[in-house]
Amino acid sequence: ELKVEQNPLFLSMQEGKNYTIYCNYSTTSDRLYWYRQDPGKSLESLFVLLSNGAVKQEGRLMASLDTKARLSTLHITAAVHDLSATYFCAVETSGSRLTFGEGTQLTVNP
Amino acid sequence: SAVISQKPSRDICQRGTSLTIQCQVDSQVTMMFWYRQQPGQSLTLIATANQGSEATYESGFVIDKFPISRPNLTFSTLTVSNMSPEDSSIYLCSAEGPGARFRTEAFFGQGTRLTVV
Repeated sequence: ELKVEQNPLFLSMQEGKNYTIYCNYSTTSDRLYWYRQDPGKSLESLFVLLSNGAVKQEGRLMASLDTKARLSTLHITAAVHDLSATYFCAVETSGSRLTFGEGTQLTVNP
Repeated sequence: SAVISQKPSRDICQRGTSLTIQCQVDSQVTMMFWYRQQPGQSLTLIATANQGSEATYESGFVIDKFPISRPNLTFSTLTVSNMSPEDSSIYLCSAEGPGARFRTEAFFGQGTRLTVV
C-alpha cells in the first residue's frame, strides 16, 4: 500500500523567512503533485512534477522531485502572509489515482 | 468560468436520507474521480468513475453506500446513501484526460460540503 508522508504537519513562520516542506512516498510513481487549499475552499494545483530531478518555480514557491529517494520538496522563499494555507502533496499511481499526504498547515505571521 | 463544476456546493441533510452530487466538466475527459475530505483531514479516493461501466471503488468504499454514474465523458454523479453524521465531509470531483488543458494535471471541482444532522 502506498504511503505518502508530509512533514511538518504544522508550520508557523515569520514573514521573510525561508522554509521547506517535505513529502516522502513509499513506492514508484509517475507523477507528483503539489496543491494548495485555503480554508473552506477546494484544491488549487501548484505544480506537477513528472520526472527525476524536475524543478519548478512559481513566485516564492519552488518544488523539486527526487524519484530515487522518493522525495519531493516544496521550498518557500521569503514567506508572505498570503501564502498561509494548507499544502498537500499527492502521488499518482496506476489508473491516474492520487494518494495524498496528510497536508501541511502553513501560517505566515507578520 | 469553472473548469469543473459541482452541484450542490453545500447541503445539510437528515440522517437516513440520500444526496446526489453532480460533477460537470467543460470538456471531454478520460478519467473522473470522487474524493472525500473529512473535517481536518486529507483527501481519500472513493472511486474512479468509468464511462459506460461500473465505477471502481477503493478499499473501504462500496457501491451500495456510494453509487456512482458516468453516462458520458463530461458528467458524473456521486450519491451518498443512507447518510449518517459520519458522512459529513467535503466531496470533491476530479478530472484528468486528453486535451491540452487536462493532459498533465488532475483538476478538482470546488467541492460539496455535506453536513448530516
